[in-house]
Amino acid sequence: DTVLTQSPALAVSPGERVTISCKASESVSTRMHWYQQKPGQQPKLLIYKASNLASGVPARFSGSGSGTDFTLTIDPVEADDTATYFCQQSWNGPTFGAGTKLELK
Amino acid sequence: EVQLVESGGGLVQPGRSLKLSCAASGFTFSNYGMAWVRQTPTKGLEWVASISTGGGNTYYRDSVKGRFTISRDNAKNTQYLQMDSLRSEDTATYYCARHLITIAAIWDYWGQGVMVTVSS
Repeated sequence: DTVLTQSPALAVSPGERVTISCKASESVSTRMHWYQQKPGQQPKLLIYKASNLASGVPARFSGSGSGTDFTLTIDPVEADDTATYFCQQSWNGPTFGAGTKLELK
Repeated sequence: EVQLVESGGGLVQPGRSLKLSCAASGFTFSNYGMAWVRQTPTKGLEWVASISTGGGNTYYRDSVKGRFTISRDNAKNTQYLQMDSLRSEDTATYYCARHLITIAAIWDYWGQGVMVTVSS
């Protein structure tokens, strides 16, 4: 299985720019997707195929990368963005990262 | 508004069976592949199974092959997950999810989830 590695946590102030990284153990081309999950809620699709914004998602969210290194950027961060962010690849049997918990200062 | 509502979860003994249902509304159900994804605090998110629009093609993660069966009834706008020979490691919150594109593993809508606990 392709392993996706994410940093466990980040803390930023509202209005700042934050980048959340995801590193794949092997190339997944651009078959990387990002989800947001707030406590007690289901995951929500933010970005698909590395850089495509999902329907209804604010343009503050963007994604980039290919191969093994991917980034989710939120600019500017708002208080409502407090959540855990998961990357997921669909190139080699779907797998998810463990998630990055974003906290606001 | 797209809605996916799971039901059928609960506490079950190891080796027993449970059937989950997911009622869909707000979209043309028969046009979308569907899936089940589960989540635990220790193992995180795991794709479990997917089914094509007409139900003719099904896909499973290795650890549930031969034990779980995904199915759908397009007339009832409902998909199911029959779980047999349950193990403690199947304990999780199970989400019903809609495939964004055919059966590609991208899910654009998720239900609220239903808890399954396998324990004696």
